[in-house]
Amino acid sequence: QQQVKQSPQSLIVQKGGISIINCAYENTAFDYFPWYQQFPGKGPALLIAIRPDVSEKKEGRFTISFNKSAKQFSLHIMDSQPGDSATYFCAASTLSSNTGKLIFGQGTTLQVKP
Amino acid sequence: DSGVTQTPKHLITATGQRVTLRCSPRSGDLSVYWYQQSLDQGLQFLIQYYNGEERAKGNILERFSAQQFPDLHSELNLSSLELGDSALYFCASSVAATSGYEQYFGPGTRLTVT
Repeated sequence: QQQVKQSPQSLIVQKGGISIINCAYENTAFDYFPWYQQFPGKGPALLIAIRPDVSEKKEGRFTISFNKSAKQFSLHIMDSQPGDSATYFCAASTLSSNTGKLIFGQGTTLQVKP
Repeated sequence: DSGVTQTPKHLITATGQRVTLRCSPRSGDLSVYWYQQSLDQGLQFLIQYYNGEERAKGNILERFSAQQFPDLHSELNLSSLELGDSALYFCASSVAATSGYEQYFGPGTRLTVT
């Protein structure tokens, strides 16, 4: 019940295309869903996050779509660029636990071809 | 640069040995987290400290221990090392204890157990 399942494992997109990464969870207590971006040799960095009181959040070319009833959320990268090539992790947590514990998905390696 | 520093960058040691990984959080951050990243297990939460006190525990083995010192730096001690402990170990920090606050990741320590 603590798992977050992420798909696909890897993704190849042409420059200018839309990259879509999906995550699913079981634990209905989760109420905070961040996405982290990791470049080779670096630590993950927060990209965008959403709480379940909204169905969508957009920041620049990055959008999170959230479906509470399906317990799924996804990251859309519009107009994908070669510089977006990285590994993306979804995560989930419970704000009321009063801890910072994040449960991460397995990660998706995105390659954007020029 | 996230502002989180980790030392050493690389560590090669033999099975059965003990090592200590060090982390200095961003200035002003009270929470420190330790994560393990491996190819088969992904990014796994190990433990969180907040202002010197243990706040949350994840999938941390009994052979592993951590602490946060009065100056807020943290150390992760790994003992009786096994081949399977080879991984990237990340430290992260945040200003508060709950997951709603961005966690800033350090560059990681790559541990190789031979």
